[in-house]
Amino acid sequence: KAGVTQTPRYLIKTRGQQVTLSCSPISGHRSVSWYQQTPGQGLQFLFEYFSETQRNKGNFPGRFSGRQFSNSRSEMNVSTLELGDSALYLCASSLTARNEKLFFGSGTQLSVL
Amino acid sequence: DQQVKQNSPSLSVQEGRISILNCDYTNSMFDYFLWYKKYPAEGPTFLISISSIKDKNEDGRFTVFLNKSAKHLSLHIVPSQPGDSAVYFCAASGNQFYFGTGTSLTVIP
Repeated sequence: KAGVTQTPRYLIKTRGQQVTLSCSPISGHRSVSWYQQTPGQGLQFLFEYFSETQRNKGNFPGRFSGRQFSNSRSEMNVSTLELGDSALYLCASSLTARNEKLFFGSGTQLSVL
Repeated sequence: DQQVKQNSPSLSVQEGRISILNCDYTNSMFDYFLWYKKYPAEGPTFLISISSIKDKNEDGRFTVFLNKSAKHLSLHIVPSQPGDSAVYFCAASGNQFYFGTGTSLTVIP
């Protein structure tokens, strides 16, 4: 069974631009969640989608948005990029996300210059 | 507000000895806890989990202990191996998963 796939692996953008990251969950998994990892901050929860509905949202500004498609694939969008958005963005999938382990992708390393 | 805390950013242990990684949480409603291991430039991989109805769970060299009254969990690795060198994150499940900031473990050959 293929794991969680995130594309692209690396991305370099400049301030003010927007970016879209993609995540394909494990087949059969209906929950997809997104996390931001920066040095010293651990994994900060961005949002979670289940069956195309946003079920939960973390404490991030509205510049961060996401969506989930009917095939459970998910995209995350960041508009008007800031230098502080430079981070590793991780996507995780699970069957239902409630008291079940998350399976993570390798992440997208975003650098904002 | 950090609901899951790992107060030791780093830990060094000799090969063959025990590694103990600690994690504290603030919300008594958390009922499921996990440990993840992460290598640089890779996503975290699941290591071991424990439900709040248990106080111990073992899987090979890895054992997780949960002390609900102290809101504390720990991961024991025995014996430690150089391949265990990585960053370890603990996580707790509430309405979402809350992760600690990680502990970088170095196992010295």
